Amino acid sequence: QQQVKQSPQSLIVQKGGISIINCAYENTAFDYFPWYQQFPGKGPALLIAIRPDVSEKKEGRFTISFNKSAKQFSLHIMDSQPGDSATYFCAASKPRQLTFGSGTQLTVLP
Amino acid sequence: SAVISQKPSRDICQRGTSLTIQCQVDSQVTMMFWYRQQPGQSLTLIATANQGSEATYESGFVIDKFPISRPNLTFSTLTVSNMSPEDSSIYLCSVEEYNSFYGYTFGSGTRLTVV
Repeated sequence: QQQVKQSPQSLIVQKGGISIINCAYENTAFDYFPWYQQFPGKGPALLIAIRPDVSEKKEGRFTISFNKSAKQFSLHIMDSQPGDSATYFCAASKPRQLTFGSGTQLTVLP
Repeated sequence: SAVISQKPSRDICQRGTSLTIQCQVDSQVTMMFWYRQQPGQSLTLIATANQGSEATYESGFVIDKFPISRPNLTFSTLTVSNMSPEDSSIYLCSVEEYNSFYGYTFGSGTRLTVV
């Protein structure tokens, strides 16, 4: 059973554009929603995370929007840069359990 | 956050052999996790390793194939036994740590190719 659904599978954006990746979860026990960025040959690195008591969190060019009633959350990358080209995973967790989405391969064209 | 060192970073192994992957953390952590990431896929949890107790395996993963050791609060190993080409994946170690809240940190992974 896939508990975290992520879309799109791949995304191509022009430099300076906005990249948007969406996720939906099922288990209301999840209380932490991180996003990971993974470059080829590297492990996932925490990019930004949110807890369900807030609806939005912004760190630099990266923003998470969270809709608790819809059980959905999304990552927005403003002013996307070629260096942002990577695979992005959303995740949902509770203590001792981290569940990943299927991943989005982002390509930012120069 | 914790710094995780994983060894080896990559290896090419013959089918039927075994490989042990090491995960060293620079701080004491209670929960350590082992994941598998098949090419182009997401991360799948293999098992959870608590110090002083047997590892807990997820559905589809068994101890005979993926034995895990957790001798102390900073170290764990995962062995991939009797390997086949289907075991070719990236294997990742992760820890759960607490600061003001909890979070998960990953090692850089071991890229395994079985030929």
